[in-house]
Amino acid sequence: AQSVAQPEDQVNVAEGNPLTVKCTYSVSGNPYLFWYVQYPNRGLQFLLKYITGDNLVKGSYGFEAEFNKSQTSFHLKKPSALVSDSALYFCAVIRSGGSYIPTFGRGTSLIVHP
Amino acid sequence: EPEVTQTPSHQVTQMGQEVILRCVPISNHLYFYWYRQILGQKVEFLVSFYNNEISEKSEIFDDQFSVERPDGSNFTLKIRSTKLEDSAMYFCASILRGGGESPLHFGNGTRLTVT
Repeated sequence: AQSVAQPEDQVNVAEGNPLTVKCTYSVSGNPYLFWYVQYPNRGLQFLLKYITGDNLVKGSYGFEAEFNKSQTSFHLKKPSALVSDSALYFCAVIRSGGSYIPTFGRGTSLIVHP
Repeated sequence: EPEVTQTPSHQVTQMGQEVILRCVPISNHLYFYWYRQILGQKVEFLVSFYNNEISEKSEIFDDQFSVERPDGSNFTLKIRSTKLEDSAMYFCASILRGGGESPLHFGNGTRLTVT
């Protein structure tokens, strides 16, 4: 079985400050990890992924995430938050060599204050 | 950029009625999915579809649910006899190839309200 935990329902940050949205996963074997963003009344949009290689992956809109195998984490980060980053963020995991069906977390609402 | 389109954006139905949610995946994609998101809860996998047949389904996808790709472009989810607990946002998604490395391309969803 595979699962994802996003421990924070909501993250508040001031514009210009760094942001972190947390994700931990549980999977047997090697994980494929993804971050998606959802704006109001829209579907989920792909931000970035980790498949293999460098633990720090960079994605759209200045976001990056670090894969930490020992902590089974894949936290999303951005050095300087924008008000327009306010949205719902979902982490997802796939077990490499498994069914390739992504399992999503519950989502974290990011609110960036001006 | 090509998009996955879903219709309608909002569907209201009475308990026990049948509903069909429609999706047009990206044209050259080969794998199709339905997910749902109950308000405030996580995005849950329902079913995946490849080569004109279901490749995997979750426990949620019981006999009340069915999927079809009737004409090579549309991909539909049918709920035969809706229940109150079927109220949710339903998302269609597609990918070009399997293997897990490709991210899903999602539509904007259909909000289903069962009264």
